[in-house]
Amino acid sequence: GAVVSQHPSWVICKSGTSVKIECRSLDFQATTMFWYRQFPKQSLMLMATSNEGSKATYEQGVEKDKFLINHASLTLSTLTVTSAHPEDSSFYICSAPGTVNSPLHFGNGTRLTVT
Amino acid sequence: QKEVEQDPGPLSVPEGAIVSLNCTYSNSAFQYFMWYRQYSRKGPELLMYTYSSGNKEDGRFTAQVDKSSKYISLFIRDSQPSDSATYLCAVGGNNRLAFGKGNQVVVIP
Repeated sequence: GAVVSQHPSWVICKSGTSVKIECRSLDFQATTMFWYRQFPKQSLMLMATSNEGSKATYEQGVEKDKFLINHASLTLSTLTVTSAHPEDSSFYICSAPGTVNSPLHFGNGTRLTVT
Repeated sequence: QKEVEQDPGPLSVPEGAIVSLNCTYSNSAFQYFMWYRQYSRKGPELLMYTYSSGNKEDGRFTAQVDKSSKYISLFIRDSQPSDSATYLCAVGGNNRLAFGKGNQVVVIP
């Protein structure tokens, strides 16, 4: 089945620094990938839709200058949290559909802790 | 009204019992329905998906959809401690996907 790999799985960084999270589709090509954020005991909140070769589409309330998304190839999307602050600490998860209109397959998530 | 309503629980059951989870959704435009299982500190794992009303079985898992009532269910038979996780329902259609809050299930040995 479709496999989505996410790296790193866990990162701690100091306030003010930037962190890059990678999301790869391992056995399929993904023209679209989705980035979610999840707080403890909460559901998934869609942050943005990453589109290969074009600009990402951000959900309302998500700062595009803070959460930079790059989808440079059909198998890789990256999310960079710039100038991270403690309130950015969360669980970030990427996903991609295996095929058009198929259910999403998720990466294993990245737990970000900003100190 | 939220697009998808799911009682977050938690739900505790003894090993071997049937686990029953459900969600309601508000928009009849949603066309496909999924259940995901999420272990602590892991990404969601697709368990079941279906496009039509009725039942779909996969081993110990049964997904049930009633489009007329906008109601979806997941049943887990012969529950095992390894089934302890959070289960999220999701509905999709028209290039949109909405998730429930997730229901934490604990299966007690």
